[in-house]
Amino acid sequence: NAGVMQNPRHLVRRRGQEARLRCSPMKGHSHVYWYRQLPEEGLKFMVYLQKENIIDESGMPKERFSAEFPKEGPSILRIQQVVRGDSAAYFCASSDRDPGSNTGELFFGEGSRLTVL
Amino acid sequence: AQSVSQHNHHVILSEAASLELGCNYSYGGTVNLFWYVQYPGQHLQLLLKYFSGDPLVKGIKGFEAEFIKSKFSFNLRKPSVQWSDTAEYFCAVMPSGTYKYIFGTGTRLKVLA
Repeated sequence: NAGVMQNPRHLVRRRGQEARLRCSPMKGHSHVYWYRQLPEEGLKFMVYLQKENIIDESGMPKERFSAEFPKEGPSILRIQQVVRGDSAAYFCASSDRDPGSNTGELFFGEGSRLTVL
Repeated sequence: AQSVSQHNHHVILSEAASLELGCNYSYGGTVNLFWYVQYPGQHLQLLLKYFSGDPLVKGIKGFEAEFIKSKFSFNLRKPSVQWSDTAEYFCAVMPSGTYKYIFGTGTRLKVLA
């Protein structure tokens, strides 16, 4: 059973370009989360999605960032017009159940490391 | 604001030494608690979790953690570390009824052979 798959693992972009990060959740998981880890900081929640719905995007910067989880295909985190401060590791996690339940567990991907030159 | 503090950012131990990593959180309500580990070049993996019941939780690879509600703490312990325990360890809190994990900044453990 494949785990959470993220690609690309490493992405280099110049300022002003677009970055697209993909996440395929574990089989059977319909809840996807994106976290960002800046150097020397912990993981920060960005967005929570279910199939075709954004449930909570309160952790996303208001501009340039967007996320989707279409009916078919992976979840995508899109960063437009990247700036140096966007350089970070972006982690995707998935779960198979209502996160309000007391048996929730997140399964993480290996992360995508974005470097903005 | 809700937060999780891991006071030890870097820990260096010799093999067979005992380990205790601190984790404190600030949230007044009921929480679920987790420790995740990230080995070099790998994804985060769940070490152990606490939802309710016995506050002493046993996880994989000989790790355990104790939830002390009065101290808002969930410290991770292992009696005798091995070189293969070299990794980064993250404490996380999820307020009950929510879905947001709040992570600490992590502790990098290096075990010397």
